[in-house]
Amino acid sequence: QQKVQQSPESLIVPEGAMTSLNCTFSDSASQYFAWYRQHSGKAPKALMSIFSNGEKEEGRFTIHLNKASLHFSLHIRDSQPSDSALYLCAVRRSAGNKLTFGIGTRVLVRP
Amino acid sequence: EAAVTQSPRNKVAVTGGKVTLSCNQTNNHNNMYWYRQDTGHGLRLIHYSYGAGSTEKGDIPDGYKASRPSQENFSLILELATPSQTSVYFCASGDVWGAYEQYFGPGTRLTVL
Repeated sequence: QQKVQQSPESLIVPEGAMTSLNCTFSDSASQYFAWYRQHSGKAPKALMSIFSNGEKEEGRFTIHLNKASLHFSLHIRDSQPSDSALYLCAVRRSAGNKLTFGIGTRVLVRP
Repeated sequence: EAAVTQSPRNKVAVTGGKVTLSCNQTNNHNNMYWYRQDTGHGLRLIHYSYGAGSTEKGDIPDGYKASRPSQENFSLILELATPSQTSVYFCASGDVWGAYEQYFGPGTRLTVL
């Protein structure tokens, strides 16, 4: 069964700094890799996703995928207090339209 | 924008009682999912459905049943609620093709006493 692990468990970053989050997965046949953001007491919401090796940038957010290393990451440039949230990585399972989520990284951006 | 609603938003139940959590989506998505979220475990898949009339077991189905009477509605049923089922439950919908993004409802906080 697909295993998805995130690191670190939590981090505190100063406003304006770069935030870097990591996710590893176990199934090399996985095809869809995504980051979801969940503000306190709210629903998870998709942030961005990637299908193939490489990098994808959307505004302050960059996702990087290395399938050979079974690793993808999210980088947030110029972090803002509104970026404080639980970040969940998700990987689509090779069979069926199901996602496996990591436990999450809790991010606190200090003004 | 995609819309998924859940009811009730909060529920207190007694051990051994029956609980029904409801989910409605207006996205016309074929796929719907029920998750529970607990500290230290993340989001775990309970049941899912590929369309009206279908339900499939997820990773932690024991103690739960699901019902998909229509494209829009997906229910999670706890026939005999136990304190270990105290959690936050999220419903989600997703498309079959292309982007595999799932759209989540606001969640139901269930407490079983």
